[in-house]
Amino acid sequence: EDKVVQSPLSLVVHEGDTVTLNCSYEVTNFRSLLWYKQEKKAPTFLFMLTSSGIEKKSGRLSSILDKKELFSILNITATQTGDSAVYLCAVNNQGGKLIFGQGTELSVKP
Amino acid sequence: EAQVTQNPRYLITVTGKKLTVTCSQNMNHEYMSWYRQDPGLGLRQIYYSMNVEVTDKGDVPEGYKVSRKEKRNFPLILESPSPNQTSLYFCASSLRLDPRDTQYFGPGTRLTVL
Repeated sequence: EDKVVQSPLSLVVHEGDTVTLNCSYEVTNFRSLLWYKQEKKAPTFLFMLTSSGIEKKSGRLSSILDKKELFSILNITATQTGDSAVYLCAVNNQGGKLIFGQGTELSVKP
Repeated sequence: EAQVTQNPRYLITVTGKKLTVTCSQNMNHEYMSWYRQDPGLGLRQIYYSMNVEVTDKGDVPEGYKVSRKEKRNFPLILESPSPNQTSLYFCASSLRLDPRDTQYFGPGTRLTVL
């Protein structure tokens, strides 16, 4: 059965800290891995990764995929209170199906 | 403005009364999808559509139907809603499901079935 597991499930840090969120997966016919941020409303798209070892970067956020070990990490450097949200990882298979992890709830304290 | 719209945003209904949640996008996207989000279970895909007249089951399709008669609309139909379908529902779309394409989510529909 296809599954996506995120860790930790929740995390509390202080402003300025760097955090690493993990996503591991077991999905048949992997096509891509996606990261989203959800702040009490609809998820917003962050990254889509398809190739191992190529880092995607947007401001203080970056992500990388390891297709051999079947995981991805999302890094946030110099965290701010506005980074507080649930971060969702999802894996897309060749047929277009998206399987989501449970999410990591990040809380950044001032 | 590029967007995905859902209606209604909130709905309280009773068991067995058929309902439809509409989803529309104005971006000429091929890929559309429905999810439900429940505490502790995360987002689970109900149905998705790669293009007009092409739909497929996600992880939790039981009790739901969809149709994709035109590119912009992807309604979710609950023929006989039950209390276990009480949830927060999201519609999403993207041009395709491709690394270059951003996926957009609608604002969500909070459904309560009594």
